[in-house]
Amino acid sequence: EAGVAQSPRYKIIEKRQSVAFWCNPISGHATLYWYQQILGQGPKLLIQFQNNGVVDDSQLPKDRFSAERLKGVDSTLKIQPAKLEDSAVYLCASSWGVGELFFGEGSRLTVL
Amino acid sequence: KQEVTQIPAALSVPEGENLVLNCSFTDSAIYNLQWFRQDPGKGLTSLLLIQSSQREQTSGRLNASLDKSSGRSTLYIAASQPGDSATYLCAVGDNDMRFGAGTRLTVKP
Repeated sequence: EAGVAQSPRYKIIEKRQSVAFWCNPISGHATLYWYQQILGQGPKLLIQFQNNGVVDDSQLPKDRFSAERLKGVDSTLKIQPAKLEDSAVYLCASSWGVGELFFGEGSRLTVL
Repeated sequence: KQEVTQIPAALSVPEGENLVLNCSFTDSAIYNLQWFRQDPGKGLTSLLLIQSSQREQTSGRLNASLDKSSGRSTLYIAASQPGDSATYLCAVGDNDMRFGAGTRLTVKP
């Protein structure tokens, strides 16, 4: 069974530029999550999708972050414009409803 | 709001030692508790999932327990090996899984 796929693995951008991350969950998993993990901290939930609807985006900085999950399968997380404090690893996870979370390898963003 | 705390933040032990990692949480109305392992530069690997109706789960040398009434979980690692060196994270909740900051474990040969 293929795991959660994420790309790109690494991205370096200047502040005020934009960036997009892509995630393809495990086949059949209805729930998809985007987490932000700053160095030395635990992951923080940014947004949760159930199929193609948003369940929770209370911690998503909506002035610069956006996410979509078209057709209820893969998802894109966008940051525009990026700030220095956005430097982090962006982790995508999926689950079969409310159950065990499975994570991808993450996308490491460095904002200069 | 659920707060998750993991103590200690870092732990160094000699190979072969048995050890316990702790996770505490403030809201006992949880659905799942999940333990993860994270190697440097990698994503999170699921180790054990305990659902709210369960008290413990075991996988190989790992045993996780859950005491909802006291808001605590422990991850027991038996006969530790250098390959166990990693950061261990716990997450609690239902739809919204909240993470602790993790315990960085080093097992010395």
